[in-house]
Amino acid sequence: SQTIHQWPATLVQPVGSPLSLECTVEGTSNPNLYWYRQAAGRGLQLLFYSVGIGQISSEVPQNLSASRPQDRQFILSSKKLLLSDSGFYLCAWSRGTSTDTQYFGPGTRLTVL
Amino acid sequence: QKEVEQDPGPLSVPEGAIVSLNCTYSNSAFQYFMWYRQYSRKGPELLMYTYSSGNKEDGRFTAQVDKSSKYISLFIRDSQPSDSATYLCAMRTPVKAAGNKLTFGGGTRVLVKP
Repeated sequence: SQTIHQWPATLVQPVGSPLSLECTVEGTSNPNLYWYRQAAGRGLQLLFYSVGIGQISSEVPQNLSASRPQDRQFILSSKKLLLSDSGFYLCAWSRGTSTDTQYFGPGTRLTVL
Repeated sequence: QKEVEQDPGPLSVPEGAIVSLNCTYSNSAFQYFMWYRQYSRKGPELLMYTYSSGNKEDGRFTAQVDKSSKYISLFIRDSQPSDSATYLCAMRTPVKAAGNKLTFGGGTRVLVKP
């Protein structure tokens, strides 16, 4: 079976500090990978998705970036955090077939102070 | 206008009642429909996945799709306090492109009172 991990689970960072969130998937190969942000009481906003190693598509222009250094690893980064970057960050994966859906990780709660 | 509309709630029901949730959408190209359950401070969990009009049942959950009306529903029978969560609808087209992105509703918060 497949498992998706995210860490850290919670993070408190000062404004202007860097950020690195990691997501890994086990039990599958060549998945599609996704980063979402969910603000308090709000819906899901797709930030980035990747269909393969080194292939990143950005959905929303911002001070965040994503990388996929390995097949089942997806990293979300920032050089300088803003207050508005606070939120719940979710990683998801799918098999990439025309009929598949997405499966979410446990999330990382980021608070920027 | 959003592509997928979902009442944010909260929807409060007594334990044992039927919970009725729905989403409307505008893009007739959507062919695959999902319902996710999200507990507070947790990631969304896939509940139901349907790809045709009609009903799909899984235990206490029934998903209904009406493509002609662009309307999907989720019913929860014999609701329990543990069903208290936010329910998100999601949908996608059958085209295998652009990362197979999903379009989500904003979620409905459900409270089941003992």
